[in-house]
Amino acid sequence: EVQLVESGGGFVQPGGSLKLSCAASGFTFSRHWMHWVRQVPGKGLVWVSRIPNDGSSASYADSVRGRITISRDDAKNTVYLEMSSLRAEDTAVYYCAREVETGMAIFDSWGQGTLVTVSS
Amino acid sequence: DIQMTQSPSSVSASVGDRVTITCRASQNINTWLAWYQQKPGQAPKLLIYAASTLQSGVPSRFSGSGSGTDFTLTITSLQPEDFATYSCQQANTFPPTFGGGTKVEIK
Repeated sequence: EVQLVESGGGFVQPGGSLKLSCAASGFTFSRHWMHWVRQVPGKGLVWVSRIPNDGSSASYADSVRGRITISRDDAKNTVYLEMSSLRAEDTAVYYCAREVETGMAIFDSWGQGTLVTVSS
Repeated sequence: DIQMTQSPSSVSASVGDRVTITCRASQNINTWLAWYQQKPGQAPKLLIYAASTLQSGVPSRFSGSGSGTDFTLTITSLQPEDFATYSCQQANTFPPTFGGGTKVEIK
């Protein structure tokens, strides 16, 4: 069974940092591009970042570029999202998602999400 | 970025009803559209991709259609477990973008 389990969310003050993790199991992690998508409670889904299966050419949404770094450790079947200079508008549930193998950004498995709250 | 607009934002329906949700893209996305179902406190679940291809395990009462800029998700004979929020997402042009969601509520 495919599983994605996020961790690392929490409460942080504006300007602070946080590192999210997403542990994958039940599939060949190294074959898939992985993404982070966030959602303000009660609002729509917003794509944040992606990392190819070979770890090269990571991409970011304009709203987070320069403040967020995505990485992966295939030995640990884990994808990470390092966030710094956090702002109140970064408050959201952060989901990691697995991209299908067809090479299009369609997400066939999602984690349960981890809540990040940025507030003073 | 491509804007995805869903309508309605919410719909009230009864068990057994037919429900249709529309999604419009701000530019041509061919058939690179996915639909997701999300229940409160849960992660999204892929229902349909490539506009009309049912994801494995998804009941056949769900169907999708459309191409270009206009798409629909139809649920025939709504079941109790179908009350949820449905979101469309385009995968034609980077970055992927989502619609604002349509909440299907119990009438």
